[in-house]
Amino acid sequence: EDKVVQSPLSLVVHEGDTVTLNCSYEVTNFRSLLWYKQEKKAPTFLFMLTSSGIEKKSGRLSSILDKKELFSILNITATQTGDSAVYLCAGNYGGSQGNLIFGKGTKLSVKP
Amino acid sequence: NAGVTQTPKFRILKIGQSMTLQCTQDMNHNYMYWYRQDPGMGLKLIYYSVGAGITDKGEVPNGYNVSRSTTEDFPLRLELAAPSQTSVYFCASSSPGLGYYGYTFGSGTRLTVV
Repeated sequence: EDKVVQSPLSLVVHEGDTVTLNCSYEVTNFRSLLWYKQEKKAPTFLFMLTSSGIEKKSGRLSSILDKKELFSILNITATQTGDSAVYLCAGNYGGSQGNLIFGKGTKLSVKP
Repeated sequence: NAGVTQTPKFRILKIGQSMTLQCTQDMNHNYMYWYRQDPGMGLKLIYYSVGAGITDKGEVPNGYNVSRSTTEDFPLRLELAAPSQTSVYFCASSSPGLGYYGYTFGSGTRLTVV
């Protein structure tokens, strides 16, 4: 059965800290792994990773994929209160349907 | 530049009632999806569509129906609402044909069945 497991499920840090969010996956016909940030409403896209070992960066956020060990990490450096959100990891699986299977998410709380 | 539009944003239903959640996208995406998100859980796929006239079940289709008569619209129908259908529903679209599998999500519909 396909699954995506995120850890930790919740995390509380202080502004300025660096955090690492984990995502492991078992996905049939794996195509890519995606990270989303979800605040009050709909998830917003952060990264899509298809190749092992190639880091993707956007400002203070970065992510990398290890297709051999079947996991990905999302790093956030110098965290700010605006980083408080649920971070979702999703595996794209099977054929050409573009379907995603989501993990439960990591709830990050950044305290001032 | 509306993206994916969902209506209504909130709804309270009584057990046994029916309703349709509307979803419209203006990006000419072929692929559309309905997910539900329960508290503390990830998103679970209800139904998806790869184009007008084509729909298929996802992980949790029971109690729901969909149709896709146009590229733009993908309504989700709830028949005989049950408390277990209390959830936040997200519609999304994508265009895998461009090699990009990221979704554009609507803002969600919070449904409570009492």
